[in-house]
Amino acid sequence: AQTVTQSQPEMSVQEAETVTLSCTYDTSESDYYLFWYKQPPSRQMILVIRQEAYKQQNATENRFSVNFQKAAKSFSLKISDSQLGDAAMYFCAYRSGDSNYQLIWGAGTKLIIKP
Amino acid sequence: GAGVSQSPRYKVTKRGQDVALRCDPISGHVSLYWYRQALGQGPEFLTYFNYEAQQDKSGLPNDRFSAERPEGSISTLTIQRTEQRDSAMYRCASSLGTGVNEKLFFGSGTQLSVL
Repeated sequence: AQTVTQSQPEMSVQEAETVTLSCTYDTSESDYYLFWYKQPPSRQMILVIRQEAYKQQNATENRFSVNFQKAAKSFSLKISDSQLGDAAMYFCAYRSGDSNYQLIWGAGTKLIIKP
Repeated sequence: GAGVSQSPRYKVTKRGQDVALRCDPISGHVSLYWYRQALGQGPEFLTYFNYEAQQDKSGLPNDRFSAERPEGSISTLTIQRTEQRDSAMYRCASSLGTGVNEKLFFGSGTQLSVL
């Protein structure tokens, strides 16, 4: 069975600085997708970034980028130029390549932005 | 609607009562998913619909939980004879299609508290 581990329950960063959130996963599959979701105090669940396992290039979305290390089964999220609005719970999630709904989630990392 | 809408936002009930949680997906979205999220954890899959057909209910914890989507749009998750361990955030998500590349859009959830 696949598992997703986020080892940092909480992280804090000074506004405008860069922070990296860690995520590791375990799978025997070769085709899969990895996601980072943001859950702000409003309780929405917002997709931040997505990575297809077959792509070697790391995904980027504006200030958000990932470091995808397939052999090490690591999928960290880097947030550059942190802003107060980035404060939220961040969840890493895994999805098998043959399923469109069976997301497996990490426990989340609470990100605090210090002004 | 503009996003996935869930109601009520909060539900407090006494142990033994039945509750019905509603999800109104984005208009035109074929697929609908229910997840449960305990405090401090990532979401846990409950069930999944394509149109009105319940494709997978393997995540429903026991037979007190049921879900329906009779007209392929609004869905209701019903919990009978609630227990304190049912207290959690219940999230609904929808996607436009059924393919593995589909993006999931999440609602803000219903926070259920069973006293």
